[in-house]
Amino acid sequence: DTAVSQTPKYLVTQMGNDKSIKCEQNLGHDTMYWYKQDSKKFLKIMFSYNNKELIINETVPNRFSPKSPDKAHLNLHINSLELGDSAVYFCASSQTGGPGNTIYFGEGSWLTVV
Amino acid sequence: QKEVEQDPGPLSVPEGAIVSLNCTYSNSAFQYFMWYRQYSRKGPELLMYTYSSGNKEDGRFTAQVDKSSKYISLFIRDSQPSDSATYLCAIGGAAGNKLTFGGGTRVLVKP
Repeated sequence: DTAVSQTPKYLVTQMGNDKSIKCEQNLGHDTMYWYKQDSKKFLKIMFSYNNKELIINETVPNRFSPKSPDKAHLNLHINSLELGDSAVYFCASSQTGGPGNTIYFGEGSWLTVV
Repeated sequence: QKEVEQDPGPLSVPEGAIVSLNCTYSNSAFQYFMWYRQYSRKGPELLMYTYSSGNKEDGRFTAQVDKSSKYISLFIRDSQPSDSATYLCAIGGAAGNKLTFGGGTRVLVKP
C-alpha cells in the first residue's frame, strides 16, 4: 500500500497548457507538501498545508496553485506552462510533532514542457 | 552561500568499502538532521534522523552531527552495489516543518 501516491508519474505537455498533479497520503498525517527537484537534484519546497490550511508558500509564480480538499489530499494545478517548469514534482507528508517532523515523499511526477 | 552545502560527487567506491558523506550548514537555528536516499526515478526515502550532536547508528549506517562546526556526516559500512544512489542531507527546525535539502551526493558502489 503506497503511503504517498501521486499521479501522473510522467507528463509531457506543450507550453501554454494547464495541467494538474494529484496527491494522496494514507499515513494519517496532518501536513502535506509540494517540492520541486530541478535537473541538478536540488529539492526545494513550494507549498505546505497543515489541516487544509496553507502555511508555507515559497516564492512560486502565481501560475502554480495548490488545492487541499481535505488533509489527505493536496493537488497542484499549473497554468500556462513554461519550459522552465520542466522538473520533477514531489508530494510529501508529515505529522506535526512526529519524530523530527520527518517528511515522507511520493514517487514523483516528471513534468516535461515542450 | 547556500544554507546547506553538499558535494555532488559522484563518489565511486569498491564493494565493501566505507562510504563517507557530509554536509555543512550555515544556520545555527537548525535543530534536526536527516539523511535521505534517492534511487534513480524514485522519491527520496528517509534513512536516518537525529536531533543532537553525536553519533547515531542503524545497521550499516552511522549518522554524525557536530553542531559546533555545523557539520553532519553519514557513513555506510560494508557498502553494497544496492547502496548506489543519491544521498541527500536535510536539515530542519529553523522554520516550522520546512526542511532545507542539500543538493545530494551521487554514490556508486562497484561490485
